[in-house]
Amino acid sequence: QKEVEQNSGPLSVPEGAIASLNCTYSDRGSQSFFWYRQYSGKSPELIMFIYSNGDKEDGRFTAQLNKASQYVSLLIRDSQPSDSATYLCAVNRRGRRALTFGSGTRLQVQP
Amino acid sequence: DGGITQSPKYLFRKEGQNVTLSCEQNLNHDAMYWYRQDPGQGLRLIYYSQIVNDFQKGDIAEGYSVSREKKESFPLTVTSAQKNPTAFYLCASRWEGADTQYFGPGTRLTVL
Repeated sequence: QKEVEQNSGPLSVPEGAIASLNCTYSDRGSQSFFWYRQYSGKSPELIMFIYSNGDKEDGRFTAQLNKASQYVSLLIRDSQPSDSATYLCAVNRRGRRALTFGSGTRLQVQP
Repeated sequence: DGGITQSPKYLFRKEGQNVTLSCEQNLNHDAMYWYRQDPGQGLRLIYYSQIVNDFQKGDIAEGYSVSREKKESFPLTVTSAQKNPTAFYLCASRWEGADTQYFGPGTRLTVL
């Protein structure tokens, strides 16, 4: 079992729709959770982080965390073609001072 | 400008050569990291350093070496012992006490 799992996609949604990206993690002691966006050929850029169960909203983005079920998700409302990228989920596991990354989900927003 | 810089952007290496990738930050971050990314895959941790003159191996340290002589700098050497070095190399840093890591623009290494 991978430590952080994501569906590789591609996830294709029409412009204006809600994109839902999911991530599961294996270490129940994980403490903080991150979503990064990575355009092709570029480095990852931070979108959001979440520490507590529930939802956290920032503009068109909402991160959702459920520690009991060990999953974290990212919702993108009113998806735009410029949102087309690979989205990386990262987890800060207990006792480890580096992030563990999933392999990413490729999102395609169709105009 | 504040941020994390990596150089060169592209690097070509002949088999059997050692090469050094540069990573510099002026954010006054304490910890620095090196990751490797292969096509269609996530990031894998090579080395990290939380303070000057100290560093720890990550998940795939074999064939790599690092140094941390200054807080601002964390160079990575890819040695000839690394069997498959062609990849995208990413440097990251963060403040002590915070979990969020920020990335440099990356170096794409190709072995000819």
